[in-house]
Amino acid sequence: GEDVEQSLFLSVREGDSSVINCTYTDSSSTYLYWYKQEPGAGLQLLTYIFSNMDMKQDQRLTVLLNKKDKHLSLRIADTQTGDSAIYFCAERMNTGNQFYFGTGTSLTVIP
Amino acid sequence: DGGITQSPKYLFRKEGQNVTLSCEQNLNHDAMYWYRQDPGQGLRLIYYSQIVNDFQKGDIAEGYSVSREKKESFPLTVTSAQKNPTAFYLCASSPSTGGGNQPQHFGDGTRLSIL
Repeated sequence: GEDVEQSLFLSVREGDSSVINCTYTDSSSTYLYWYKQEPGAGLQLLTYIFSNMDMKQDQRLTVLLNKKDKHLSLRIADTQTGDSAIYFCAERMNTGNQFYFGTGTSLTVIP
Repeated sequence: DGGITQSPKYLFRKEGQNVTLSCEQNLNHDAMYWYRQDPGQGLRLIYYSQIVNDFQKGDIAEGYSVSREKKESFPLTVTSAQKNPTAFYLCASSPSTGGGNQPQHFGDGTRLSIL
């Protein structure tokens, strides 16, 4: 299957910016997504970017896509303790309805 | 409100027993998916279904079975052949194939443990 890689852990201080990174190997993806998972819950869709875009901003969230390097990032401005969760990147493939998820990054926000 | 309902939230299995996890959606989505989540391993695809009465194996289908008799329902059976079933199971759905932004929507998960 597709390889989608993320760092496992990230710690930031409250009020700082968080940057969560994701790399993937297949260039035929159409849309790329960021999901948030709180303990014991399902995945909640945060934001997405179409594969022909470089950047998308949505309130405190900024998504950057470098298609040449197959690198996706999620920046959370003014990180709050409520942002502590696991964050998954995912790509939807061009053919069929397959999705590939990264391994997830556990974000800890230190008060 | 539209959404995906998984039940039960917690489930316990005895040795040699089959158990069935329920997943129901009222989003009118064609595609449904089952994932297994283990700590530090992200989501692994067990089975998916693009349409009623059709489904395909994912990366880790061994020891699992599914059915898709109705559009809104996609139950997962964990059979006794699955030797390490303890995990968090997530069901998801998405609209049919086609263009446009069609993300997956997730239920709240079922945690399965061995007695």
